Amino acid sequence: NAGVTQTPKFRVLKTGQSMTLLCAQDMNHEYMYWYRQDPGMGLRLIHYSVGEGTTAKGEVPDGYNVSRLKKQNFLLGLESAAPSQTSVYFCASSYGKLRNTEAFFGQGTRLTVV
Amino acid sequence: AQSVTQPDIHITVSEGASLELRCNYSYGATPYLFWYVQSPGQGLQLLLKYFSGDTLVQGIKGFEAEFKRSQSSFNLRKPSVHWSDAAEYFCAVGPYGGSGGYQKVTFGIGTKLQVIP
Repeated sequence: NAGVTQTPKFRVLKTGQSMTLLCAQDMNHEYMYWYRQDPGMGLRLIHYSVGEGTTAKGEVPDGYNVSRLKKQNFLLGLESAAPSQTSVYFCASSYGKLRNTEAFFGQGTRLTVV
Repeated sequence: AQSVTQPDIHITVSEGASLELRCNYSYGATPYLFWYVQSPGQGLQLLLKYFSGDTLVQGIKGFEAEFKRSQSSFNLRKPSVHWSDAAEYFCAVGPYGGSGGYQKVTFGIGTKLQVIP
């Protein structure tokens, strides 16, 4: 049982380049999330989805776009990468609302923008 | 707005010693409370959660946490730490009430635990 799988695990981008991070879950969860983790700041929510075909902004959405075309996949896009987007990105999913159910996290993607 | 404070950024304990990680929250009503653990190079894993009822909550890996409303705290404890407990621990708070849509869960900045032999 894979759970939540993120690809790639590591990536180095040049400023201005674009990329897409893929998150896949095999637990049939409705809710999916993208977080970024920065030293001294904990986890901050970028975007989330409450079901297939839906997306919504989190705390720090600027510079990112997302899509949830299939229930099991949640894509995070950076159209024009900036050094401020250097971070570790985590995808998570949950069966119900995150406030009262467990979130399952992927292993993370370490992104460096130079 | 809800918030979470983990006052200890880094804690070092000896293997076999007891552990207490502090978490204080700010929220206007009874919250949902969580502790997650992140091992090096891994994602977060839920240790335990509190929704209501008994204020002492048991979790996985021998951890427990106690909800103290009067102190707005939800401290994580373990009586005897093992070397494999070295990790980063995150407290999180979510709103109890409300319906529909997404209910934000706020994570603390984390406490990194080092275990020495």
